[in-house]
Amino acid sequence: DAKTTQPNSMESNEEEPVHLPCNHSTISGTDYIHWYRQLPSQGPEYVIHGLTSNVNNRMASLAIAEDRKSSTLILHRATLRDAAVYYCILRDGGPTYGGATNKLIFGTGTLLAVQP
Amino acid sequence: EAGVAQSPRYKIIEKRQSVAFWCNPISGHATLYWYQQILGQGPKLLIQFQNNGVVDDSQLPKDRFSAERLKGVDSTLKIQPAKLEDSAVYLCASSLNFQLAGEIRGYEQYFGPGTRLTVT
Repeated sequence: DAKTTQPNSMESNEEEPVHLPCNHSTISGTDYIHWYRQLPSQGPEYVIHGLTSNVNNRMASLAIAEDRKSSTLILHRATLRDAAVYYCILRDGGPTYGGATNKLIFGTGTLLAVQP
Repeated sequence: EAGVAQSPRYKIIEKRQSVAFWCNPISGHATLYWYQQILGQGPKLLIQFQNNGVVDDSQLPKDRFSAERLKGVDSTLKIQPAKLEDSAVYLCASSLNFQLAGEIRGYEQYFGPGTRLTVT
């Protein structure tokens, strides 16, 4: 299973942009890049995913390097509610069993602290 | 839309006792997952169901853990007998998963609040 590397922790100030990096140098052509976050005492929450092109949604933006060996999750204006552990995960988009999707393998993620 | 429901939220048992967790996924979601999250680590997949069939249980300690998903809706995860190292948060998640134009869509996973198990 392809692995990702993230910083253990990062700090940001409220209302400033946050760039969370992720390295995945062994990514394969069928791997999708997923980001989930986990707020304190809650289950993980889907944030965004992409394959090759940059992606935007209401929560964040995902910038994917041209060689796909790294990506960056961008929170455009951090709020105190964005303090969480952010997981960068590679999901194999190759052939699956019976319509199911290949599993997510979580690492330890990046703990983001947001200062007021 | 109601989210993934889990119960109980907390459970304390002694080692060698048994325990069961219940999960009700989001209505219509075909895929259900059970994860174990030990303090300080990311969630680890224990078992994945597609409707009521098992897709992946490679990380499930089958000598003590069992799970079922009757009628392809609710699911239960059981531990018997429990060990100290089973202390963790047990998370249930579900995803829609459907095929459109030959591609799988709706694979975003929605997680429940988890059950915190303490084994003493």
